Amino acid sequence: LAKTTQPISMDSYEGQEVNITCSHNNIATNDYITWYQQFPSQGPRFIIQGYKTKVTNEVASLFIPADRKSSTLSLPRVSLSDTAVYYCLVGETGGYNKLIFGAGTRLAVHP
Amino acid sequence: EPEVTQTPSHQVTQMGQEVILRCVPISNHLYFYWYRQILGQKVEFLVSFYNNEISEKSEIFDDQFSVERPDGSNFTLKIRSTKLEDSAMYFCASDNGEQFFGPGTRLTVL
Repeated sequence: LAKTTQPISMDSYEGQEVNITCSHNNIATNDYITWYQQFPSQGPRFIIQGYKTKVTNEVASLFIPADRKSSTLSLPRVSLSDTAVYYCLVGETGGYNKLIFGAGTRLAVHP
Repeated sequence: EPEVTQTPSHQVTQMGQEVILRCVPISNHLYFYWYRQILGQKVEFLVSFYNNEISEKSEIFDDQFSVERPDGSNFTLKIRSTKLEDSAMYFCASDNGEQFFGPGTRLTVL
């Protein structure tokens, strides 16, 4: 599984767009990039997954450059309830595989 | 929306005691997992389970741990003789191509 590097923490304010970048220089051809969100005292929750270019759903967008060595999770107009830890995972996570979590990025959204 | 459920939400036990943590995965899912998260640390994989047997386990999952699917719905994690360092949140997950996590059981070993 490719090693990932992401900021330990970020701060933002309500209504702002938040971009969290993850580096994964050793990503393999078969690897997908998946982001999970975890609120305090809750289990991680799948946010978005992509392989290349851009993926968008009702929660977030995921931008992946052509070399796939990094990815950026974009959260539009964050609210206080988006305060959580965000994890970038890289691997054959098309399902049926264990997930290897790093330390994640602790996002704090302020009023 | 279907969800993974776990019981109890909080378990307090004495060191050396056995505990059983219970999970009800989403029906029609076939792959199940246990993870743990020590307070302030990252989520760690313990074990995966498919077709009524362990498919993979981590170094953490030593002989004091066992998993079982005793019937068609429950998936349990047993810790035979708890240690202080077993205190953590334990998360169950089930998988149908995407992993869904339960709310966790907070285990406190005194």
